[in-house]
Amino acid sequence: DGGITQSPKYLFRKEGQNVTLSCEQNLNHDAMYWYRQDPGQGLRLIYYSQIVNDFQKGDIAEGYSVSREKKESFPLTVTSAQKNPTAFYLCASSTRQGDGYTFGSGTRLTVV
Amino acid sequence: ELKVEQNPLFLSMQEGKNYTIYCNYSTTSDRLYWYRQDPGKSLESLFVLLSNGAVKQEGRLMASLDTKARLSTLHITAAVHDLSATYFCAAGGATNKLIFGTGTLLAVQP
Repeated sequence: DGGITQSPKYLFRKEGQNVTLSCEQNLNHDAMYWYRQDPGQGLRLIYYSQIVNDFQKGDIAEGYSVSREKKESFPLTVTSAQKNPTAFYLCASSTRQGDGYTFGSGTRLTVV
Repeated sequence: ELKVEQNPLFLSMQEGKNYTIYCNYSTTSDRLYWYRQDPGKSLESLFVLLSNGAVKQEGRLMASLDTKARLSTLHITAAVHDLSATYFCAAGGATNKLIFGTGTLLAVQP
């Protein structure tokens, strides 16, 4: 079955550490996205990529980095520069035809 | 810059009642999406509205789009407990990037 897979489901980060969240899709979608969700604040766009080897900053890119070396994969690194990384992170993918997003199951990141 | 606003943010309703969630967006967008999120879970696509006057229905939920008013509505008919969730609308920008509203937390009481 086609879908989008995020891992891990739960992640704990120590102060000063970089951590990487995985996002893989087998839907043959061109575009991929990372959103952050905090309680009561909806979804905020971190980074997005419309095509391999290209990506753009979203509204809250500071403290995050991404790569898009393969069509199927769009990993997100939360760097030590992100001062308040505790949140629920959602990855999504889409075609270019505006059909909407398919979301992964999310990664819940907690700073310890 | 496209902005999306939903209201109400929280809705407590009794089973069997009808209600409407409103979604306004600030600039021209010809695509509007509705998603459902259960606690601790990801987002599930409900409706895709691609043209002015579009209306779609699934069970007790009906969504509509008025692009001239920059307004979409999600109408709930005869609510049941299973509809309790957070509902998000999202409008499409020029690059297929979606901007999401803050969500409406719906609690259906028996």
